[in-house]
Amino acid sequence: GEEVAQTPKHLVRGEGQKAKLYCAPIKGHSYVFWYQQVLKNEFKFLISFQNENVFDETGMPKERFSAKCLPNSPCSLEIQATKLEDSAVYFCASKQTSNSNQPQHFGDGTRLSIL
Amino acid sequence: GQNIDQPTEMTATEGAIVQINCTYQTSGFNGLFWYQQHAGEAPTFLSYNVLDGLEEKGRFSSFLSRSKGYSYLLLKELQMKDSASYLCAVRDQHTDKLIFGTGTRLQVFP
Repeated sequence: GEEVAQTPKHLVRGEGQKAKLYCAPIKGHSYVFWYQQVLKNEFKFLISFQNENVFDETGMPKERFSAKCLPNSPCSLEIQATKLEDSAVYFCASKQTSNSNQPQHFGDGTRLSIL
Repeated sequence: GQNIDQPTEMTATEGAIVQINCTYQTSGFNGLFWYQQHAGEAPTFLSYNVLDGLEEKGRFSSFLSRSKGYSYLLLKELQMKDSASYLCAVRDQHTDKLIFGTGTRLQVFP
């Protein structure tokens, strides 16, 4: 597609439940990035992929968070045993190549609310 | 460490010019991006600077000084629809991730 598509738009989970978020990058884009935005504060980088391979996972919490980008499927970000502090908007972005002057294109985000 | 500073909020009048500053201290640098984000929407790309100087794109211009760790976004002929958050982001030298400031919320009044 022409846009980064994130689903669902809103996700509500009780504390301790699992949450799974999806991202379809723009067609032809090889790089996918996940960011977390808590309470309209700055974006925090989580993880990036080059095709189905993890490119940089330095921002991923060591526990509970995992992500995948499998061929012919949307990328996913999964949070196990959610906590109140996981409440945030999760943005996905994609980029065509590694060229430095290319911008990342963002999806509309998934708002995750943990109750 | 990584530190990117922007003013939290700014106000301006329709038709005026506003300059949003961004200072950065990062362990590596490979370009600076400005994004616009309306409430509840995706950030949209505005401009990119990697060399010192001014990049002009219609009503929007962006400036970079690498030696000073400083950039600004200049918005001319402000319109009501320019009310949004403006995000300054530095591209990490090695991994391509973006390091964001907190964003500047701009309100344009009639």
